[in-house]
Amino acid sequence: DSGVTQTPKHLITATGQRVTLRCSPRSGDLSVYWYQQSLDQGLQFLIQYYNGEERAKGNILERFSAQQFPDLHSELNLSSLELGDSALYFCASSPSVAGGTDTQYFGPGTRLTVL
Amino acid sequence: AQKITQTQPGMFVQEKEAVTLDCTYDTSDQSYGLFWYKQPSSGEMIFLIYQGSYDEQNATEGRYSLNFQKARKSANLVISASQLGDSAMYFCAMREPSSGGSYIPTFGRGTSLIVHP
Repeated sequence: DSGVTQTPKHLITATGQRVTLRCSPRSGDLSVYWYQQSLDQGLQFLIQYYNGEERAKGNILERFSAQQFPDLHSELNLSSLELGDSALYFCASSPSVAGGTDTQYFGPGTRLTVL
Repeated sequence: AQKITQTQPGMFVQEKEAVTLDCTYDTSDQSYGLFWYKQPSSGEMIFLIYQGSYDEQNATEGRYSLNFQKARKSANLVISASQLGDSAMYFCAMREPSSGGSYIPTFGRGTSLIVHP
């Protein structure tokens, strides 16, 4: 158990809908990272937040947005869902902003299926 | 261009033997970090080992060691004395500095390791 929690574990929805994925980092970790893992794209970094502020952006679509709240939990919002958004979404956390030498601890993931 | 290349989509090894999983990377930064993660069939991502670009010694964590060859831009994972529980996908990853003062992580496509009894 990494100490990172993600809810829900599974999510099935329809095209065009909007969903919210939730992540609670390990106690004491200030950075949260979001990743998407799909068969064709592999594991892609989406976005990083540190202590409530966006710090790094990867291959995140405009239909997706995230935020980190004062209690450090984070939410990833996916809207206007398409079939291709079906994937495993991971959240990871680390203690600091730099992340260069920080170990990222991954949550169990949310499996999103768009029908 | 791929920043992280894992050329072995699948590897097989006999239990108790050692196996090397290849990883090459591409960066122009001097400061970066290299990581290996394990993903069993259950889906979670498990951190295995880290190597900093300025570290002169190869990193080791129990049965895992990272064979770091900076000039060749290679960061191979060596698993000694393989166990059946080592069967999983293994991902090599690199973190490079970003303009915002943070680091951008990039993952390879992974190598599937199967350990035979």
